[in-house]
Amino acid sequence: DTGVSQDPRHKITKRGQNVTFRCDPISEHNRLYWYRQTLGQGPEFLTYFQNEAQLEKSRLLSDRFSAERPKGSFSTLEIQRTEQGDSAMYLCASSDGTSVGNEQFFGPGTRLTVL
Amino acid sequence: DQQVKQNSPSLSVQEGRISILNCDYTNSMFDYFLWYKKYPAEGPTFLISISSIKDKNEDGRFTVFLNKSAKHLSLHIVPSQPGDSAVYFCAGVEAGTYKYIFGTGTRLKVLA
Repeated sequence: DTGVSQDPRHKITKRGQNVTFRCDPISEHNRLYWYRQTLGQGPEFLTYFQNEAQLEKSRLLSDRFSAERPKGSFSTLEIQRTEQGDSAMYLCASSDGTSVGNEQFFGPGTRLTVL
Repeated sequence: DQQVKQNSPSLSVQEGRISILNCDYTNSMFDYFLWYKKYPAEGPTFLISISSIKDKNEDGRFTVFLNKSAKHLSLHIVPSQPGDSAVYFCAGVEAGTYKYIFGTGTRLKVLA
């Protein structure tokens, strides 16, 4: 297992289009997180799954954002009717919940540019 | 509402010397703190963590200190190496949640 993977790595889209990102966590990790990071900022928490259940959701996650983890393995993050303010790096992380300090393993991210 | 603050956006240190990265927080409910390192075009990588019931945790060249009364933590890197040049984020985790709150990061540059 080579770690958390994300696809695509880069996405350029026009305002108003829908986009979907995929995250494959480390196998056996039951916890999966989505973050958004903009320039000069740290990762901002968006949502968290334990297995297939979405347990926490940030107020940052507007109605245009939806995340799923249907079988408790990979996850998708969809943004509908994209806006220029959605341009950011979208990071996925996973953890098994047993590591001391609740360590998360991050993927390389998907960079979204909305024109 | 910035619950985790890293007030120094950048830091330069000579190779072999100590690097000290600082982090302040406002949320008294944090029960774990973590430090991550990030290289360009990669996701953050976990470095070291500390429970709120401790005041120090050490792992090789990395030591994290927690001062709960001051709501302050710091990461010490000794000795600093050029490969340590990266952006460092601190994060707090609130008890009973899995919501990690990150600071804005400090860019460390270790000069050879």
